[in-house]
Amino acid sequence: GQQLNQSPQSMFIQEGEDVSMNCTSSSIFNTWLWYKQDPGEGPVLLIALYKAGELTSNGRLTAQFGITRKDSFLNISASIPSDVGIYFCAGAGGTSYGKLTFGQGTILTVHP
Amino acid sequence: GAGVSQSPRYKVAKRGQDVALRCDPISGHVSLFWYQQALGQGPEFLTYFQNEAQLDKSGLPSDRFFAERPEGSVSTLKIQRTQQEDSAVYLCASSLVGPLYGYTFGSGTRLTVV
Repeated sequence: GQQLNQSPQSMFIQEGEDVSMNCTSSSIFNTWLWYKQDPGEGPVLLIALYKAGELTSNGRLTAQFGITRKDSFLNISASIPSDVGIYFCAGAGGTSYGKLTFGQGTILTVHP
Repeated sequence: GAGVSQSPRYKVAKRGQDVALRCDPISGHVSLFWYQQALGQGPEFLTYFQNEAQLDKSGLPSDRFFAERPEGSVSTLKIQRTQQEDSAVYLCASSLVGPLYGYTFGSGTRLTVV
């Protein structure tokens, strides 16, 4: 099935560093969402973006909805060990109102 | 309950067996969703209910997959004649109002077909 192009696939960083990941699509979405998934658990919503150009923060996390509505990025500042996990972008909207289309995920490893 | 509850957490099925996966959404949540997550991939949409009505089943991969939510609360995803490619984590999510707000996932059922 269709998935968003998410990059990078994985990142290995030192504690305290900033992290940036992004997501692109060939289709327009009305909503962009960012999730974090820990092993053996379901994804947990971090940030939701509803308007093109919107920039939203949640603590150390900042995400933006691209003005073309085909891309989004997520930044994590001053990373800590508990930021370890898999981060997914997801797009929603268009013809199928209930459906989220997910990226392939970015695996984040933080070294203390 | 406090969150979305899925059972069983793990299921091993022999190829050809039928399986039924259960989802208990957050009480009062109108919308319910099923996703399939293969190893190393993002979740892929299977189907969406609003109350008892199945509004979108476009993601169900074949007619071996069937989902129901007869009373608008608990939902069951049934897979008939399981095949090895059905091995995945099946995630259920629920939402109070529309599908884009407060979308809460369960921990999933890991299905292994041997």
